[in-house]
This record gives sequence, structure tokens and C-alpha cells, in this order.
Amino acid sequence: AQKVTQAQTEISVVEKEDVTLDCVYETRDTTYYLFWYKQPPSGELVFLIRRNSFDEQNEISGRYSWNFQKSTSSFNFTITASQVVDSAVYFCALSDTGRRALTFGSGTRLQVQP
Amino acid sequence: GAGVSQSPRYKVAKRGQDVALRCDPISGHVSLFWYQQALGQGPEFLTYFQNEAQLDKSGLPSDRFFAERPEGSVSTLKIQRTQQEDSAVYLCASSLGSGGVYGYTFGSGTRLTVV
Repeated sequence: AQKVTQAQTEISVVEKEDVTLDCVYETRDTTYYLFWYKQPPSGELVFLIRRNSFDEQNEISGRYSWNFQKSTSSFNFTITASQVVDSAVYFCALSDTGRRALTFGSGTRLQVQP
Repeated sequence: GAGVSQSPRYKVAKRGQDVALRCDPISGHVSLFWYQQALGQGPEFLTYFQNEAQLDKSGLPSDRFFAERPEGSVSTLKIQRTQQEDSAVYLCASSLGSGGVYGYTFGSGTRLTVV
């Protein structure tokens, strides 16, 4: 069975602080894909990143970076120099060959105060 | 179209009423998924289509929920005899192929409120 755990329910930071959102996953498959989505108050899910299980290279995109560690089954997301516009709910999700649909974590609500 | 389109954006139904939610995926996308997102929770899988075939309906919570995609494009999620616990946002996603490889594009969702 698949499972995604986002232990942080809510995080509040002050603008320009760095913040890391944790994600731990469980799957029996050796081939799988991990995703991060942002859900602003408007409600739509905005795609941020997809990684496959064979690519453990960390990735940086502007102020966003992702740390994928297979040894600990974690795929953490860091926002550097946070901004008020980063305030949203962030979801980590997993899909594997056993189930093509995404399994989502419960989300982390990030509040960035000015 | 350019994105996944869902309608209506909002729906208020009286308890016991039947509702139909529509999803128009990106043209050419083979895979289509429905998710239910309760307030404060992550989206939960309902059902999956590959073209017109419904390959997985393991997430449908009861036999009051029914989904179809008769021509392999537009999909409809129908809920019969709505209950208060059905109140949620219903999200549709489509994918060019196997979702993991190609990624998923989500619609803006339909917010259903059962009163």
C-alpha cells in the first residue's frame, strides 16, 4: 500500500525566512514518482515538481529546492527567502506502477507573515 | 482546450438530490482521474479512466457515486441521493498517458455543498 505523510500541519514564518516542508512516503514499488503541488486559496492545484525514483539528484528552481533521499523515503521541499505569495497549502504526492493515481499527503499550510 | 475544465464551479444541493459534475480534460489526454477533497484534507482518489474504460473505481465511497466517460473525452461524476458527508471539492485531473511519467493537470474543481 502507498502512503504519504506530511507531519507538519501548519507552519508560520516571517517573510525572508527559509522554510522546509517535510514529506515521507511508503511504497513497495521500485519505480515511482513523487510530486509537490501548491494549493492557493483559489483552490486549484499548481504543479511544482515531479521526480522519479531513479533520480536522486536534488533540484533547485529559483527560491525552491527539493531534497530526495531514498534511504529515508523522504522528499523534502525548501523555500528560501519566503514571500507572502508563498502562503498556501502544499501537498506531497506519490504515484507508482501499482496505482497510476496519485496518493496525497494531508498537506502543510504555510503562512508567510509580512 | 488549454487546461482541464470543470463545471459547475459551485453546486449547492439539497440532501437527497442527485447531482452531476462535469470534467472536460485536455484534448488528447488518455487518462482521467476524479478526486474528492474534504475541507482541510488532501485529495483522495475516487476513480480512473483510460480512454472510455473505467480501470479503477476502488475509491468510490458508495454505490451512490457513479462516473462515466463514454467517448473517452468528457467525463461526468454523478452522485445520487446526496448526503451531507458528500460536501467536498471534487477535482478532475487528466494525463497524456500513465500519470507518473507524464504528470497530471488538475482542474479548478467543483465545490459541492449539501444542505
